[in-house]
Amino acid sequence: DAKTTQPPSMDCAEGRAANLPCNHSTISGNEYVYWYRQIHSQGPQYIIHGLKNNETNEMASLIITEDRKSSTLILPHATLRDTAVYYCIVRAGPGGSARQLTFGSGTQLTVLP
Amino acid sequence: KAGVTQTPRYLIKTRGQQVTLSCSPISGHRSVSWYQQTPGQGLQFLFEYFSETQRNKGNFPGRFSGRQFSNSRSEMNVSTLELGDSALYLCASSLTSGGSYEQYFGPGTRLTVT
Repeated sequence: DAKTTQPPSMDCAEGRAANLPCNHSTISGNEYVYWYRQIHSQGPQYIIHGLKNNETNEMASLIITEDRKSSTLILPHATLRDTAVYYCIVRAGPGGSARQLTFGSGTQLTVLP
Repeated sequence: KAGVTQTPRYLIKTRGQQVTLSCSPISGHRSVSWYQQTPGQGLQFLFEYFSETQRNKGNFPGRFSGRQFSNSRSEMNVSTLELGDSALYLCASSLTSGGSYEQYFGPGTRLTVT
């Protein structure tokens, strides 16, 4: 799986959009970008994933650059409950053999009141 | 639909004992993966089961073992516990094995070895 780089921490005001960047310059053609988050002492929570098109679901939006070397997770209206460590992961897509997840150090997002 | 459940949520054991952790995946999910999470090592993959067969294994000693039942429920066993086994043990279920299927995690079992 390709390596990812994320800032160690970010703050965001409650009600504002939180934009979390991720660099994955060594991503290969069939690798997907996944985002998970982990609230303190809880299990990780799947947020969203994408290949090359921008994706949106009820939790967040994922913007992937055209060259696929970086992406941004957007939480449109951050709340205090969004305070968590956010992990960006790049891994094989359909047909890939590696199924286990490997989390890097992630970004600690703190939503401020 | 109910999420992934893990039992027990908290456990305290002494060195040398053995422990069994249980995981029930989301209904319809057939793949179960186990992870160990510690502050120092982060999230580390233990093994994955699909259709009662171990499909993938991480770099852990043989003291760590697992199995999956026909209803997709899975158990993980650690024998001869060591202090370093203290960790949050996470189970994740997925619809199937292989492919870009997202994994859904349970709340974890916090194991403390004294």
